[in-house]
Amino acid sequence: DAGVIQSPRHEVTEMGQEVTLRCKPISGHNSLFWYRQTMMRGLELLIYFNNNVPIDDSGMPEDRFSAKMPNASFSTLKIQPSEPRDSAVYFCASSYEGAVSPLHFGNGTRLTVT
Amino acid sequence: GEDVEQSLFLSVREGDSSVINCTYTDSSSTYLYWYKQEPGAGLQLLTYIFSNMDMKQDQRLTVLLNKKDKHLSLRIADTQTGDSAIYFCAEKPITGTASKLTFGTGTRLQVTL
Repeated sequence: DAGVIQSPRHEVTEMGQEVTLRCKPISGHNSLFWYRQTMMRGLELLIYFNNNVPIDDSGMPEDRFSAKMPNASFSTLKIQPSEPRDSAVYFCASSYEGAVSPLHFGNGTRLTVT
Repeated sequence: GEDVEQSLFLSVREGDSSVINCTYTDSSSTYLYWYKQEPGAGLQLLTYIFSNMDMKQDQRLTVLLNKKDKHLSLRIADTQTGDSAIYFCAEKPITGTASKLTFGTGTRLQVTL
């Protein structure tokens, strides 16, 4: 099992540019989560999909953020336009919906917006 | 809403036991998890416990749950330098439609020689 795969591992971009983060969940998992981690705010849930459908996007900070899950094996998180305050580590996690449902995290994308 | 609190930092000497504490507020039946995050990596599930259990042991790890006080602890026996990481407590209510966890702020464990 390859685990949750995120790309890129690092992204450095200039303010105003579009950024796209990618995630491949574990095969067979039906829930996918995007988190953001910063020193100031800790780990924040941005959006949660179940069976490819967005269930809760209340954590998405602004309209500049959007996420899609076109199929069970791929999701994207897009920031357009990016701002310096978006600099953070973005994690994707997946799980199989059930009683225990532990999350399996990818290694994250470290985004730096200058 | 649910809230999970942890102390921010713990320093222990190699070979000693580490105890990382966590308190939570959700009173419904729940699963509680411990995750470990090493530098540059994502969170890795260490262990979990259901709220009808008091204790769970897995090799060097012991989880203790005081449901009355909503207090969870993770004990690491014979702490090694490789245990240096951030440890997150998380809770999930058994009811509800969302498979969402509420994470604590994380406790940074520093192991000194």
